[in-house]
Amino acid sequence: KQEVTQIPAALSVPEGENLVLNCSFTDSAIYNLQWFRQDPGKGLTSLLLIQSSQREQTSGRLNASLDKSSGRSTLYIAASQPGDSATYLCAGNSGAGSYQLTFGKGTKLSVIP
Amino acid sequence: DADVTQTPRNRITKTGKRIMLECSQTKGHDRMYWYRQDPGLGLRLIYYSFDVKDINKGEISDGYSVSRQAQAKFSLSLESAIPNQTALYFCATSDPHGLSYGYTFGSGTRLTVV
Repeated sequence: KQEVTQIPAALSVPEGENLVLNCSFTDSAIYNLQWFRQDPGKGLTSLLLIQSSQREQTSGRLNASLDKSSGRSTLYIAASQPGDSATYLCAGNSGAGSYQLTFGKGTKLSVIP
Repeated sequence: DADVTQTPRNRITKTGKRIMLECSQTKGHDRMYWYRQDPGLGLRLIYYSFDVKDINKGEISDGYSVSRQAQAKFSLSLESAIPNQTALYFCATSDPHGLSYGYTFGSGTRLTVV
């Protein structure tokens, strides 16, 4: 059974810092990987999707990478802002057509003004 | 309009009551899913459907049932609600071929069973 670990569970940084969130899978055979943002009590907003043929995706100040050999992904946030404060979730599925999107428990990020 | 719409947004119900959560999507995707989220446990899959005639149990289906009324509609029912079903429920959809476009989630339904 695929398990996903996100480290750290919580992170507090001053505004303007660059930061890295980590995600690792017990089964490194990840087909697609998706990073989400969740604000308290709210739904999941998709941030970045790394498809099976890709290793990296960028959107604005966000960059996500996936190392399939190790089953690890990182989300890099540049020049953090207070509005980045949220919980960040990574999720992956194994194999084309697999229904199971397995989630980590998230990293709660607080950016201090 | 949102791609995935869930109703109601919030619901308080009593133990033993039957309750239905509804989900509709405008993505045109065949695959739909119901997840629940609990503090400290993350998101867990309850049921999933690959098309109108294909419904499958997920990781935690006991106490739940679903109905796929159309390609765009997928509802989740709690036949006899119990307090440990208090959670945040999410509906999601994905494209059928290799999940090329990822998952799209609704805004969630916060259910409280008292």
